[in-house]
Amino acid sequence: GAGVSQSPSNKVTEKGKDVELRCDPISGHTALYWYRQSLGQGLEFLIYFQGNSAPDKSGLPSDRFSAERTGGSVSTLTIQRTQQEDSAVYLCASSLDSRFSYEQYFGPGTRLTVT
Amino acid sequence: GESVGLHLPTLSVQEGDNSIINCAYSNSASDYFIWYKQESGKGPQFIIDIRSNMDKRQGQRVTVLLNKTVKHLSLQIAATQPGDSAVYFCADPNAGNMLTFGGGTRLMVKP
Repeated sequence: GAGVSQSPSNKVTEKGKDVELRCDPISGHTALYWYRQSLGQGLEFLIYFQGNSAPDKSGLPSDRFSAERTGGSVSTLTIQRTQQEDSAVYLCASSLDSRFSYEQYFGPGTRLTVT
Repeated sequence: GESVGLHLPTLSVQEGDNSIINCAYSNSASDYFIWYKQESGKGPQFIIDIRSNMDKRQGQRVTVLLNKTVKHLSLQIAATQPGDSAVYFCADPNAGNMLTFGGGTRLMVKP
């Protein structure tokens, strides 16, 4: 595809349920980032993948959050036992590689609502 | 802790006027800044960047000014158009590959 894609675009879930959010980065981009954006707030870094290296998970807010990146391409962000404070827009970005981290291209985001 | 922040949450300007969006940073070691534009329902898009060895950088209708003495930068948009309506973020990639964003300023353009 031409850009970063994310699915679903919107997700409504009940408190306590698990959710999976998907990100398809730009083809050929080896670096992938997940951010969270609460209403009216800036972006909060969650996790970063670079090639086959161990991901930087320093931004994950709790052990309910995890992410995988299979085959160095598609990534899935999983939130277990969702809480209402998890409601936010989850943005994925990719860049050519970590040396070009400044040139991050963002997807449209997944809006998660926990009821 | 280190942070990048914005002075105003909302800026309303008349179409055709110039817009100025401000941003303050706290890390004096920061040497590179990015402005992003985020339209409703979309992810942030790169607008313009500036390195600390510069005081000013111009793009198409946009200019970024950097004042390292007071740790302040601004984004100026000339002849603001309705399509400029968005939230604008300043970013400071001060920790490796992670971008730090301020809260954002919502620019509203009145016809």
